[in-house]
Amino acid sequence: SAVISQKPSRDICQRGTSLTIQCQVDSQVTMMFWYRQQPGQSLTLIATANQGSEATYESGFVIDKFPISRPNLTFSTLTVSNMSPEDSSIYLCSVEVGMGGNQPQHFGDGTRLSIL
Amino acid sequence: AQSVTQLDSHVSVSEGTPVLLRCNYSSSYSPSLFWYVQHPNKGLQLLLKYTSAATLVKGINGFEAEFKKSETSFHLTKPSAHMSDAAEYFCALNSGNTPLVFGKGTRLSVIA
Repeated sequence: SAVISQKPSRDICQRGTSLTIQCQVDSQVTMMFWYRQQPGQSLTLIATANQGSEATYESGFVIDKFPISRPNLTFSTLTVSNMSPEDSSIYLCSVEVGMGGNQPQHFGDGTRLSIL
Repeated sequence: AQSVTQLDSHVSVSEGTPVLLRCNYSSSYSPSLFWYVQHPNKGLQLLLKYTSAATLVKGINGFEAEFKKSETSFHLTKPSAHMSDAAEYFCALNSGNTPLVFGKGTRLSVIA
């Protein structure tokens, strides 16, 4: 498995501001994933971040709102831009560990974000 | 297309009694299936995985799940619930190198 650290663990922000969430992994991984979990809901994939290429966004998510960086094989950031109360969610990063396809993903503890 | 249906949004059991959390799936390809648990203020922890080996999969904390292709099911069970099992449980699937798809989750309550 992998140890995944996310920062910050929680934050309260004003609407219109932006917040950058960091995800650090203790080993080199090819694929990192960013999810959103709205209150009482399941997880929705925002984007997949591969090192050395642009992130791939899922339907309903755009780079201007959720820019992602992936500077190396152990680190990624997700920025939530121009926040509104609807962005209040848990944001989780995960990594796929293991050889071959369809391996399990391992998750960080998430960032709990509230927008006032 | 891939999808996961967790049939119960909330399950309540008494401590020491069996747990059954139901999951059905739909997949165009041979799926890999996973169960995750999420405790309050925590991320998701992998309980177990099925990746086309043995159909009965044993996981951590006494949980196990059985892959039944004929029923397109992957139900999670535990013989005896413990108070610490109270959490949200998610069934998830991927196949054909598609992104992981999650069910809506089942909240397990354990009554003393």
